[in-house]
Amino acid sequence: DAKTTQPNSMESNEEEPVHLPCNHSTISGTDYIHWYRQLPSQGPEYVIHGLTSNVNNRMASLAIAEDRKSSTLILHRATLRDAAVYYCILRDVVSGSARQLTFGSGTQLTVLP
Amino acid sequence: SQTIHQWPATLVQPVGSPLSLECTVEGTSNPNLYWYRQAAGRGLQLLFYSVGIGQISSEVPQNLSASRPQDRQFILSSKKLLLSDSGFYLCACIGLAGDHNEQFFGPGTRLTVL
Repeated sequence: DAKTTQPNSMESNEEEPVHLPCNHSTISGTDYIHWYRQLPSQGPEYVIHGLTSNVNNRMASLAIAEDRKSSTLILHRATLRDAAVYYCILRDVVSGSARQLTFGSGTQLTVLP
Repeated sequence: SQTIHQWPATLVQPVGSPLSLECTVEGTSNPNLYWYRQAAGRGLQLLFYSVGIGQISSEVPQNLSASRPQDRQFILSSKKLLLSDSGFYLCACIGLAGDHNEQFFGPGTRLTVL
């Protein structure tokens, strides 16, 4: 799976939007972009995924650059419960759907009250 | 959807003692199962994976072993724990969620070896 690059840490104020960036310049045409997050002392959980178009769900939005070499996870109103490590992961849609994800170091998001 | 159970939630063991961590999965059949370890402040390291009963693949050489005696049961073991075995152990499976495959994780076991 292609590599992703994320900032080690970010801070946000409560109830403000948060934009978490991810660079994936070597992404292939068949790679999906997945985001997971890990709350303290818990296992990672799925947040959102996309291929080319921007995606929205109840947890977040995913904005994908036109060249797909970067993406941004958007939390529209950060709460204290959103403090977690956020992982951006690429998975090949053809060969990777049944394989485990490879987790990097992610971005530690701190939400300030 | 899939639910993963792990126990115990926390464990403190002396160096040299044996270990057995259990993981069971509900809501799916014939899942691919995974054991990860996460050291404090670090990323997830894949330890073992299994595609079926009795089938275990090891990702890294280490002091631990894994077994899959039943379709939805995955066990992580050690005969003699080392200090370096301390960490947060996570069991996971991959399953269908809507129109895509997700990786589901259990609540984890925090192991401290003293």
